[in-house]
Amino acid sequence: SAVISQKPSRDICQRGTSLTIQCQVDSQVTMMFWYRQQPGQSLTLIATANQGSEATYESGFVIDKFPISRPNLTFSTLTVSNMSPEDSSIYLCSVEDTKGYTFGSGTRLTVV
Amino acid sequence: GENVEQHPSTLSVQEGDSAVIKCTYSDSASNYFPWYKQELGKRPQLIIDIRSNVGEKKDQRIAVTLNKTAKHFSLHITETQPEDSAVYFCAASIRTGNQFYFGTGTSLTVIP
Repeated sequence: SAVISQKPSRDICQRGTSLTIQCQVDSQVTMMFWYRQQPGQSLTLIATANQGSEATYESGFVIDKFPISRPNLTFSTLTVSNMSPEDSSIYLCSVEDTKGYTFGSGTRLTVV
Repeated sequence: GENVEQHPSTLSVQEGDSAVIKCTYSDSASNYFPWYKQELGKRPQLIIDIRSNVGEKKDQRIAVTLNKTAKHFSLHITETQPEDSAVYFCAASIRTGNQFYFGTGTSLTVIP
C-alpha cells in the first residue's frame, strides 16, 4: 500500500486563523482526496485534488474556505481558513493504491 | 451524487457469534464497494472490498456480498473476537480512481 505522511497530527488554533495540512505520498498518484470526520461521525469528502488543475469541491465546501494545492503527483495541502469552532474535526487525505484507498493518519484540529 | 445508507448504527454481539452490517446505495453506476475498519483514534483501514462483477468475496472470517439489482451490499464477520470491536464504514464509488462516499458507520462491540 501507499505510505502517506500527514502533518500536523494535531493542532489547537485560535478562531479567525488558518491552518495548512500537508500530505506526502511515497508514490505518484493522479488524485488525492481530502475528507473531514467530525467527532463520532462518518467521513465526508471535501474535495478531490488533481495535479495541474483546480480542485473539485463537494457540495457545502468552497475554495475560499478550504483552498487546496497540488503542486506535484506526490504532495497536496489543504488549508482551513478563517477558522471557527465548527471547524474542529479530523481532516484526512486519501489516495488510491494497488490495494484500494489508503488514508493518512489524520489531523485532529481543535479551534478555540 | 451517491447516497450510502448503513445499518445498524450500533451492534453488540457475543464473542464467537456472527455480525452482519448492511449498506444500500443509490447510484446504479457505482461499481466498487470497500469496507473500512476504524479503531478509536486511528485512521480507517481497508479490510475487504468488492467490485460489481462479483457477488461475493471472502477473506478468512470476513466476507462481503453484493446484490446489484437491489443496490445493497453486506459485511459478514464470523467467529467474532474482541479485537473486532471498532467502527465499520461501507463506501461506494462509481469507478476506480474516483472519489467514494461513506456510509454513516456501525459501531461494533464484541462482548467477551
